[in-house]
Amino acid sequence: DSGVTQTPKHLITATGQRVTLRCSPRSGDLSVYWYQQSLDQGLQFLIQYYNGEERAKGNILERFSAQQFPDLHSELNLSSLELGDSALYFCASSVASGFEGYTFGSGTRLTVV
Amino acid sequence: AQSVAQPEDQVNVAEGNPLTVKCTYSVSGNPYLFWYVQYPNRGLQFLLKYITGDNLVKGSYGFEAEFNKSQTSFHLKKPSALVSDSALYFCAVRDYGNNRLAFGKGNQVVVIP
Repeated sequence: DSGVTQTPKHLITATGQRVTLRCSPRSGDLSVYWYQQSLDQGLQFLIQYYNGEERAKGNILERFSAQQFPDLHSELNLSSLELGDSALYFCASSVASGFEGYTFGSGTRLTVV
Repeated sequence: AQSVAQPEDQVNVAEGNPLTVKCTYSVSGNPYLFWYVQYPNRGLQFLLKYITGDNLVKGSYGFEAEFNKSQTSFHLKKPSALVSDSALYFCAVRDYGNNRLAFGKGNQVVVIP
């Protein structure tokens, strides 16, 4: 157990729907990062939050949004889902700047049908 | 922007033989380099990192990596591969611009019994 908890582990939903992925960072970590892993795109950085504030944005679609709550857990919201959004979504956390590297959760596998 | 390249898609090695997974980097400034491993249906696990100091970095599970500034490389090595080392290996570099880790596309390692 890495200490980073992601729920749910698996999600199957239909096109056009909206889902929410949840992440609880490792105890003491203030930064949360979201990554998307697909076969053709590899591991793509989506967004980072630090202590409740957005810090960095990567290749995140406008249909996707995220937030980090006062208790430091984070949610990634995916809306108007398309088949191409099917992927593994990882959350990672770090103490602050990420110099020490990240701790990853086990991911949420999203399947859009 | 900082980036890493992993030139090989798959590395096949016989059990007991030395294992090398290649990574080259492109950074402006001092590189912060990482190796992660991903087993099937699992999140990424930290193996080792180079921040500063000795060019040979020792990590988890008997892995080590050699930082070579002149060749801008950070190859992952293991003297004697195990079947259980079969997994996806990612090299990553810290991107100063937005404080995130940029990952390579990953290398599938197959250790043949």
